[in-house]
Amino acid sequence: EPEVTQTPSHQVTQMGQEVILRCVPISNHLYFYWYRQILGQKVEFLVSFYNNEISEKSEIFDDQFSVERPDGSNFTLKIRSTKLEDSAMYFCASNGAWGSNTEAFFGQGTRLTVV
Amino acid sequence: GEDVEQSLFLSVREGDSSVINCTYTDSSSTYLYWYKQEPGAGLQLLTYIFSNMDMKQDQRLTVLLNKKDKHLSLRIADTQTGDSAIYFCAESMNRDDKIIFGKGTRLHILP
Repeated sequence: EPEVTQTPSHQVTQMGQEVILRCVPISNHLYFYWYRQILGQKVEFLVSFYNNEISEKSEIFDDQFSVERPDGSNFTLKIRSTKLEDSAMYFCASNGAWGSNTEAFFGQGTRLTVV
Repeated sequence: GEDVEQSLFLSVREGDSSVINCTYTDSSSTYLYWYKQEPGAGLQLLTYIFSNMDMKQDQRLTVLLNKKDKHLSLRIADTQTGDSAIYFCAESMNRDDKIIFGKGTRLHILP
C-alpha cells in the first residue's frame, strides 16, 4: 500500500537553530500538507501546497516557516529560527487530484523537540 | 470560525460497544472523518462520510451523521484491546481542502 514517509522520526534542536523536516508524499498525489500537533492538543493545519505554490496557510504559518518541493519527490518544511513552542509532532499529508476519489494520507510524523 | 468538539475520554469494557460523539460548527463541511492515532503513531483514516449521508457502516464501525444538529458519532462494535487509541473527529469542505480536527477522544478499554 502506498504511504507517506517522513524523516527523521525524531529531531532535537537548539532554540534559534534552523530545522528542515522532510516528507516523501505518495508519488501520484498533487496536494501536499503540513500539520502539527503540540503534545496533548489537537492536530492543527499549517499549510497546503499545490502546483508548486502555497494554496492556503494558517495563522501559525508565519515568516519563520517555509515549504518547498525541491525535486518533485520531497516536500520539506523549514523552520528558520526555532522556538521552544515549536516543539510538536509535525505531520505531512498528501492527496490526489481533484475528482480522483482519494482521501488525504498522513505520514507517521516527525517529533520536533526544541531545547 | 470552524471548530470541532469532542469529549476527551471514554472508558469501555472489552466486548461492549463504544460510541464517540463529535459536534462541528461549519455547516458547509462536506466530508466528515474519523481518524485513529495509536500511541507514538501517525494518523490513520478509519472512515469518512459525505454530508449528504445519514449513516455509513464498515465492518465493526458505524458512523451516524445528524446534519441538522451538526453531530457525528462513531460506534465501534465489540470493542477490543486493539481499539485503544485516540480517535479524532475531523471535517473538510472538499477532499483536497485542509482538514479541521477535534482534540481527540482517548478510548480506554477495561478488561
